[in-house]
Amino acid sequence: DADVTQTPRNRITKTGKRIMLECSQTKGHDRMYWYRQDPGLGLRLIYYSFDVKDINKGEISDGYSVSRQAQAKFSLSLESAIPNQTALYFCATSARTYSYNEQFFGPGTRLTVL
Amino acid sequence: GEDVEQSLFLSVREGDSSVINCTYTDSSSTYLYWYKQEPGAGLQLLTYIFSNMDMKQDQRLTVLLNKKDKHLSLRIADTQTGDSAIYFCAETFPSGNTPLVFGKGTRLSVIA
Repeated sequence: DADVTQTPRNRITKTGKRIMLECSQTKGHDRMYWYRQDPGLGLRLIYYSFDVKDINKGEISDGYSVSRQAQAKFSLSLESAIPNQTALYFCATSARTYSYNEQFFGPGTRLTVL
Repeated sequence: GEDVEQSLFLSVREGDSSVINCTYTDSSSTYLYWYKQEPGAGLQLLTYIFSNMDMKQDQRLTVLLNKKDKHLSLRIADTQTGDSAIYFCAETFPSGNTPLVFGKGTRLSVIA
Protein backbone atom coordinates (compact mmCIF):
# COMPACT_ATOMS: atom_id res chain seq x y z
CA ASP A 1 0.00 0.00 0.00
CA ALA A 2 1.13 3.52 -0.77
CA ASP A 3 2.50 5.52 2.15
CA VAL A 4 1.00 8.82 0.96
CA THR A 5 -2.40 8.68 -0.71
CA GLN A 6 -4.43 11.41 -2.35
CA THR A 7 -8.11 11.45 -3.22
CA PRO A 8 -9.51 12.02 -5.72
CA ARG A 9 -6.86 11.30 -8.37
CA ASN A 10 -8.73 13.27 -10.98
CA ARG A 11 -11.45 15.87 -10.66
CA ILE A 12 -13.28 18.07 -13.12
CA THR A 13 -15.36 20.86 -11.66
CA LYS A 14 -16.96 24.15 -12.60
CA THR A 15 -16.03 27.70 -11.73
CA GLY A 16 -17.39 28.73 -8.33
CA LYS A 17 -17.66 25.23 -6.88
CA ARG A 18 -16.09 24.29 -3.55
CA ILE A 19 -13.57 21.48 -3.86
CA MET A 20 -11.69 19.47 -1.24
CA LEU A 21 -8.61 17.43 -1.95
CA GLU A 22 -7.58 14.93 0.71
CA CYS A 23 -4.24 13.53 1.71
CA SER A 24 -3.52 10.65 4.09
CA GLN A 25 -0.21 9.17 5.18
CA THR A 26 0.87 6.06 7.03
CA LYS A 27 4.50 7.12 7.48
CA GLY A 28 3.95 8.60 10.93
CA HIS A 29 5.42 11.91 9.81
CA ASP A 30 4.64 15.15 11.61
CA ARG A 31 5.13 17.41 8.61
CA MET A 32 2.78 17.68 5.64
CA TYR A 33 2.73 19.91 2.57
CA TRP A 34 0.53 20.87 -0.36
CA TYR A 35 2.06 21.87 -3.71
CA ARG A 36 0.71 22.66 -7.11
CA GLN A 37 2.59 21.89 -10.31
CA ASP A 38 2.14 23.83 -13.52
CA PRO A 39 4.15 23.33 -16.73
CA GLY A 40 7.22 25.56 -16.74
CA LEU A 41 6.57 26.76 -13.19
CA GLY A 42 7.73 23.72 -11.29
CA LEU A 43 6.38 23.01 -7.82
CA ARG A 44 4.93 25.85 -5.81
CA LEU A 45 4.15 25.51 -2.13
CA ILE A 46 0.58 26.32 -1.12
CA TYR A 47 0.45 25.47 2.60
CA TYR A 48 2.45 23.40 5.05
CA SER A 49 1.94 22.04 8.54
CA PHE A 50 4.70 20.95 10.92
CA ASP A 51 2.28 19.39 13.39
CA VAL A 52 -1.45 19.15 14.03
CA LYS A 53 -1.68 22.62 15.56
CA ASP A 54 0.65 24.32 13.10
CA ILE A 55 -0.49 25.72 9.73
CA ASN A 56 1.66 27.99 7.56
CA LYS A 57 1.06 29.77 4.30
CA GLY A 58 3.32 28.98 1.40
CA GLU A 59 4.20 30.90 -1.72
CA ILE A 60 0.70 30.85 -3.28
CA SER A 61 -1.95 30.43 -0.56
CA ASP A 62 -4.53 32.90 -1.91
CA GLY A 63 -7.73 31.10 -2.91
CA TYR A 64 -6.86 28.01 -0.88
CA SER A 65 -7.40 26.84 2.69
CA VAL A 66 -6.25 23.76 4.58
CA SER A 67 -7.24 21.64 7.52
CA ARG A 68 -5.00 19.30 9.51
CA GLN A 69 -7.56 16.93 10.97
CA ALA A 70 -5.03 14.54 12.48
CA GLN A 71 -1.35 13.75 12.22
CA ALA A 72 -2.10 11.54 9.26
CA LYS A 73 -4.56 13.76 7.37
CA PHE A 74 -4.15 17.10 5.64
CA SER A 75 -6.83 18.43 3.30
CA LEU A 76 -6.75 21.28 0.82
CA SER A 77 -9.87 23.26 -0.07
CA LEU A 78 -10.66 25.58 -2.91
CA GLU A 79 -13.54 27.66 -1.58
CA SER A 80 -14.64 28.93 -4.99
CA ALA A 81 -12.69 27.28 -7.78
CA ILE A 82 -11.50 29.34 -10.75
CA PRO A 83 -9.99 28.15 -14.05
CA ASN A 84 -6.43 29.25 -13.21
CA GLN A 85 -6.47 26.76 -10.36
CA THR A 86 -6.39 24.01 -12.96
CA ALA A 87 -3.19 22.15 -12.11
CA LEU A 88 -1.65 19.00 -10.70
CA TYR A 89 -1.71 19.03 -6.90
CA PHE A 90 0.70 17.07 -4.73
CA CYS A 91 0.70 16.29 -1.05
CA ALA A 92 4.00 15.46 0.63
CA THR A 93 5.22 14.46 4.09
CA SER A 94 8.50 14.56 5.96
CA ALA A 95 9.82 13.59 9.35
CA ARG A 96 10.80 16.12 11.99
CA THR A 97 14.58 16.38 11.57
CA TYR A 98 17.22 18.96 12.28
CA SER A 99 18.26 19.57 8.70
CA TYR A 100 17.94 16.55 6.39
CA ASN A 101 14.46 16.87 4.99
CA GLU A 102 13.50 14.13 2.56
CA GLN A 103 9.96 14.65 1.43
CA PHE A 104 7.70 11.80 0.33
CA PHE A 105 5.12 12.65 -2.29
CA GLY A 106 1.68 11.31 -3.06
CA PRO A 107 0.69 10.39 -6.62
CA GLY A 108 -1.03 13.70 -7.29
CA THR A 109 -4.54 14.96 -8.02
CA ARG A 110 -5.24 16.37 -11.45
CA LEU A 111 -7.80 19.15 -11.07
CA THR A 112 -9.56 20.80 -13.99
CA VAL A 113 -11.74 23.86 -13.39
CA LEU A 114 -14.01 24.69 -16.32
CA GLY B 1 16.82 34.97 -0.49
CA GLU B 2 16.06 31.48 -1.64
CA ASP B 3 16.07 30.70 -5.32
CA VAL B 4 16.94 27.57 -7.26
CA GLU B 5 17.42 27.76 -11.02
CA GLN B 6 17.46 24.98 -13.61
CA SER B 7 17.22 24.83 -17.37
CA LEU B 8 13.85 23.46 -18.44
CA PHE B 9 14.79 20.92 -21.12
CA LEU B 10 17.57 18.48 -21.98
CA SER B 11 17.63 15.96 -24.78
CA VAL B 12 20.24 13.18 -25.06
CA ARG B 13 20.75 10.00 -27.03
CA GLU B 14 20.43 6.63 -25.36
CA GLY B 15 23.80 5.49 -24.07
CA ASP B 16 25.22 9.00 -23.75
CA SER B 17 25.77 10.81 -20.46
CA SER B 18 23.28 13.40 -19.26
CA VAL B 19 24.28 16.37 -17.15
CA ILE B 20 21.56 18.35 -15.43
CA ASN B 21 22.62 21.60 -13.81
CA CYS B 22 21.23 23.66 -10.97
CA THR B 23 22.26 26.90 -9.32
CA TYR B 24 21.15 28.10 -5.93
CA THR B 25 21.55 31.38 -4.13
CA ASP B 26 21.64 30.62 -0.42
CA SER B 27 25.09 29.64 0.78
CA SER B 28 23.68 28.38 4.08
CA SER B 29 22.10 25.37 2.36
CA THR B 30 22.98 22.21 4.22
CA TYR B 31 21.54 19.45 2.06
CA LEU B 32 20.90 19.54 -1.66
CA TYR B 33 18.66 16.99 -3.31
CA TRP B 34 17.76 15.61 -6.69
CA TYR B 35 14.21 14.38 -7.13
CA LYS B 36 12.86 12.48 -10.14
CA GLN B 37 9.30 12.69 -11.42
CA GLU B 38 8.30 10.01 -13.88
CA PRO B 39 5.27 10.60 -16.13
CA GLY B 40 2.01 10.47 -14.18
CA ALA B 41 3.68 10.11 -10.81
CA GLY B 42 4.78 12.13 -7.82
CA LEU B 43 8.36 13.06 -7.06
CA GLN B 44 10.79 10.56 -5.58
CA LEU B 45 14.14 11.28 -4.01
CA LEU B 46 16.91 10.17 -6.35
CA THR B 47 19.97 11.23 -4.39
CA TYR B 48 21.23 13.96 -2.11
CA ILE B 49 24.52 15.53 -1.03
CA PHE B 50 25.56 17.15 2.20
CA SER B 51 27.08 20.60 1.79
CA ASN B 52 30.50 19.58 3.15
CA MET B 53 30.93 17.14 0.25
CA ASP B 54 32.12 17.91 -3.28
CA MET B 55 31.01 14.73 -4.96
CA LYS B 56 28.78 11.75 -4.39
CA GLN B 57 28.56 8.71 -6.63
CA ASP B 58 25.79 6.13 -6.64
CA GLN B 59 25.93 3.60 -9.48
CA ARG B 60 25.16 5.56 -12.68
CA LEU B 61 24.57 8.81 -10.79
CA THR B 62 27.26 11.36 -9.92
CA VAL B 63 26.43 14.51 -8.00
CA LEU B 64 28.92 17.38 -8.06
CA LEU B 65 28.70 20.34 -5.73
CA ASN B 66 30.65 23.55 -6.27
CA LYS B 67 29.96 25.64 -3.19
CA LYS B 68 31.97 28.61 -4.39
CA ASP B 69 29.79 28.98 -7.48
CA LYS B 70 26.65 27.61 -5.76
CA HIS B 71 26.34 25.07 -8.55
CA LEU B 72 24.99 21.55 -8.31
CA SER B 73 24.97 19.01 -11.11
CA LEU B 74 23.61 15.52 -11.67
CA ARG B 75 25.36 13.29 -14.17
CA ILE B 76 23.61 10.15 -15.39
CA ALA B 77 25.96 7.76 -17.13
CA ASP B 78 24.75 5.48 -19.93
CA THR B 79 21.38 7.21 -20.07
CA GLN B 80 18.46 4.90 -20.76
CA THR B 81 14.94 5.55 -22.04
CA GLY B 82 13.71 4.81 -18.51
CA ASP B 83 15.61 7.88 -17.33
CA SER B 84 13.19 10.12 -19.25
CA ALA B 85 11.57 12.20 -16.54
CA ILE B 86 11.57 15.61 -14.91
CA TYR B 87 14.44 16.17 -12.50
CA PHE B 88 14.15 18.71 -9.69
CA CYS B 89 16.91 20.04 -7.54
CA ALA B 90 16.04 21.25 -4.05
CA GLU B 91 17.79 22.70 -1.03
CA THR B 92 17.23 22.80 2.69
CA PHE B 93 18.61 25.01 5.43
CA PRO B 94 20.31 24.55 8.81
CA SER B 95 17.25 25.14 10.95
CA GLY B 96 15.26 22.40 9.29
CA ASN B 97 12.20 24.54 9.94
CA THR B 98 11.53 25.63 6.40
CA PRO B 99 10.18 23.48 3.59
CA LEU B 100 12.41 22.42 0.74
CA VAL B 101 12.94 25.01 -1.99
CA PHE B 102 12.58 23.37 -5.40
CA GLY B 103 13.83 24.41 -8.80
CA LYS B 104 11.39 24.44 -11.72
CA GLY B 105 12.56 21.06 -12.97
CA THR B 106 14.49 19.89 -16.04
CA ARG B 107 12.65 17.63 -18.44
CA LEU B 108 15.07 14.99 -19.71
CA SER B 109 14.14 13.33 -23.00
CA VAL B 110 16.13 10.28 -24.04
CA ILE B 111 16.17 9.52 -27.75
CA ALA B 112 16.56 5.87 -28.72
